[in-house]
Amino acid sequence: KAGVTQTPRYLIKTRGQQVTLSCSPISGHRSVSWYQQTPGQGLQFLFEYFSETQRNKGNFPGRFSGRQFSNSRSEMNVSTLELGDSALYLCASSPEPQGAGGYTFGSGTRLTVV
Amino acid sequence: QQQVKQSPQSLIVQKGGIPIINCAYENTAFDYFPWYQQFPGKGPALLIAIRPDVSEKKEGRFTISFNKSAKQFSLHIMDSQPGDSATYFCAASMSDYKLSFGAGTTVTVRA
Repeated sequence: KAGVTQTPRYLIKTRGQQVTLSCSPISGHRSVSWYQQTPGQGLQFLFEYFSETQRNKGNFPGRFSGRQFSNSRSEMNVSTLELGDSALYLCASSPEPQGAGGYTFGSGTRLTVV
Repeated sequence: QQQVKQSPQSLIVQKGGIPIINCAYENTAFDYFPWYQQFPGKGPALLIAIRPDVSEKKEGRFTISFNKSAKQFSLHIMDSQPGDSATYFCAASMSDYKLSFGAGTTVTVRA
């Protein structure tokens, strides 16, 4: 069974640009969550989608947005990139929110803003 | 404000030792407490999880102890092996499903 796939694995962008990251959940999983991981702030929740609906959002500025498609694939977008947005962005999927099997994380997209 | 406090930041044990990682929380609405293991270049992987109606849970060499009254929970790695060297995160969530993670503990198991 394929795991959670995130693309691209690495990305370098310039301040002010925007970026779109993609996540393909495990087949059959309908819940997708996004997290930002940095050495200073650790793992922080961005948002969670279930059946194409955003169910919850973390404390991030409006420059961070996401969506989920009917096939459960999800994208997150960051506009007007800042140096502080450099991080590992992780996507996690679950059959249902907080399911007994927990969330399965992808390997992440390493975003560097220069 | 970190909702889950994790300690220590790092620890080193010899092979066969029992590293213990502790976490504490304040929000009594939390009802799901997972532990994740992360290797460099990989995303966190779920190790074991517990709900507050259980005081202890074992899966293989990993054991969670949960103290609801003290609002604390801990991870013990029995008979630790060099392959267990990784960063471990505790987490907690409630009905809003978002995971609040601890800061992480880097465990090094020396052969």
